Amino acid sequence: GAGVSQSPSNKVTEKGKDVELRCDPISGHTALYWYRQSLGQGLEFLIYFQGNSAPDKSGLPSDRFSAERTGGSVSTLTIQRTQQEDSAVYLCASSTGTSGWRFLDTQYFGPGTRLTVL
Amino acid sequence: AQSVTQLGSHVSVSEGALVLLRCNYSSSVPPYLFWYVQYPNQGLQLLLKYTSAATLVKGINGFEAEFKKSETSFHLTKPSAHMSDAAEYFCAVSGNDYKLSFGAGTTVTVRA
Repeated sequence: GAGVSQSPSNKVTEKGKDVELRCDPISGHTALYWYRQSLGQGLEFLIYFQGNSAPDKSGLPSDRFSAERTGGSVSTLTIQRTQQEDSAVYLCASSTGTSGWRFLDTQYFGPGTRLTVL
Repeated sequence: AQSVTQLGSHVSVSEGALVLLRCNYSSSVPPYLFWYVQYPNQGLQLLLKYTSAATLVKGINGFEAEFKKSETSFHLTKPSAHMSDAAEYFCAVSGNDYKLSFGAGTTVTVRA
């Protein structure tokens, strides 16, 4: 079946512009995650959505970052007033969300969006 | 808090040789450990995960990893490397929630 898809695959923007990154999770997956991979860094957790619950935004690095998930499916990560340090690969993942132990849910990752801020 | 350290950002092996990728973890609670692989232009794919059921975990593509609490390690091995194993490998840890903390990754190249 179809995996997690992300668009665009690459995005080049100018400092100060806003960008939107899209994630389409695997159909039926109720949990969705965003991660960021900066040059020379490991992947860092950004935000987590589970069903209709309030999202866990504890990993968002600043208030310029926001995310929403419409209809429990597609998610958009928005970065306002982009800065050069926002340049990174942004990865989205989804999981079934049905495991009684959420940390045991296998997260399925998309190919990522490479964001370059000039 | 949980974190992992991957030793070696790049490993080069000959085809047919042992693949050994090192991962050490730090965790304030019993850890759950994962190895992911990323092929070029693809998403991360789960190779295997440790969930405390057994210390030796077997995964896909002939990989396995052993959890050693005394050494706080979770090294990944494969007895015989194949050209298709060339990829980037990530070790990750979680505590008792869904937030994965990843290492910086190890790129594996396989020499013919």
